Amino acid sequence: NAGVMQNPRHLVRRRGQEARLRCSPMKGHSHVYWYRQLPEEGLKFMVYLQKENIIDESGMPKERFSAEFPKEGPSILRIQQVVRGDSAAYFCASSERQGGMNTEAFFGQGTRLTVV
Amino acid sequence: AQSVTQPDIHITVSEGASLELRCNYSYGATPYLFWYVQSPGQGLQLLLKYFSGDTLVQGIKGFEAEFKRSQSSFNLRKPSVHWSDAAEYFCAVGAKGTYKYIFGTGTRLKVLA
Repeated sequence: NAGVMQNPRHLVRRRGQEARLRCSPMKGHSHVYWYRQLPEEGLKFMVYLQKENIIDESGMPKERFSAEFPKEGPSILRIQQVVRGDSAAYFCASSERQGGMNTEAFFGQGTRLTVV
Repeated sequence: AQSVTQPDIHITVSEGASLELRCNYSYGATPYLFWYVQSPGQGLQLLLKYFSGDTLVQGIKGFEAEFKRSQSSFNLRKPSVHWSDAAEYFCAVGAKGTYKYIFGTGTRLKVLA
């Protein structure tokens, strides 16, 4: 059973371009979470999605960031018009059901975005 | 405010020595506590978790952690470190029914041969 797969592992974008980060959850998992890790900081929650639904996007910046988890295919985190401050590691996690008691979220290897 | 503090950014120990990584938290609800490890270029792997019950929790790879409510701490320990333990360690806190974990900034462990 493959783990949570994120691609690309490394992404370089120029300022103003768009970045698309993909996350395929573990087989059988229908809950996806995105976290961002800025340099020298811990992981910060961004968004929680189920298939075709955004459940909680309270951690997402108000502008330029969006996320989706379609019925078919991976979850996508999209950053439009990237700026240098978007440079970070973006981690995806998935679980069988909502994270909480006795539910473990499995993390992917992350996508390291560098904006030049 | 909810927060997790890992006061040690870097720790270096010799192989075979004991290890303790510190974690303090501030959380309004009854905390669920986690330790994750991240090897270079890898994702986060769950080492252990505490929800309730026995305050001394055993995890994988010979790690254990002790929950001390009075000190708001959840320190990670290992009696004898192996070179393969070199990695970054993250403490996290959540609550029942929540999916929003609050992570510390991590402690990077270096192991000397």
